[in-house]
Amino acid sequence: DADVTQTPRNRITKTGKRIMLECSQTKGHDRMYWYRQDPGLGLRLIYYSFDVKDINKGEISDGYSVSRQAQAKFSLSLESAIPNQTALYFCATSTGVSNGELFFGEGSRLTVL
Amino acid sequence: AQSVTQLGSHVSVSEGALVLLRCNYSSSVPPYLFWYVQYPNQGLQLLLKYTSAATLVKGINGFEAEFKKSETSFHLTKPSAHMSDAAEYFCAVRSYNQGGKLIFGQGTELSVKP
Repeated sequence: DADVTQTPRNRITKTGKRIMLECSQTKGHDRMYWYRQDPGLGLRLIYYSFDVKDINKGEISDGYSVSRQAQAKFSLSLESAIPNQTALYFCATSTGVSNGELFFGEGSRLTVL
Repeated sequence: AQSVTQLGSHVSVSEGALVLLRCNYSSSVPPYLFWYVQYPNQGLQLLLKYTSAATLVKGINGFEAEFKKSETSFHLTKPSAHMSDAAEYFCAVRSYNQGGKLIFGQGTELSVKP
């Protein structure tokens, strides 16, 4: 089983619908992140969390919200989806060590029609 | 502010040829640098990372990268390309704020021709 699991892997929805993407991890890491990947733009940070009570906005948080339900779970919500939120979304975790890498899930592909 | 620039959104090489993917960074403090690979329909997998211990860093699958402070570069190389190397490659620098996030380059798609 993957250390960082994202559900759903693929989702097609309509404009205005509420969508939740879920992430769970078994790595025991405190830090969790949500990124968005768009062609030609690389990955951009949406939100990050140090622990259950510490959630912070990233560079592109408008239109998104998150919930850290437990150390191992971090969900991303789109309250009212719009077409330009069509993208590949990644959850990641890290230990917080300064030279440590991020560990990524396999991604959730969201299409908003 | 820290940033990463990858030169070339698409690189095509023949099987057995040298792979060179370019990455330049901007950072006012000593950087921690990373290369990730993304195979189709998969997440990002760490290839290698520079953490100031050695300027030449060896990674998985025969890849290596050299940190050159004078050139602010961290180019990724592999002496002989294999068909299985076809993927998208991302260079990233660790941020000193925003939770230690990684700041990614735009990505380079590597194609390998038979």
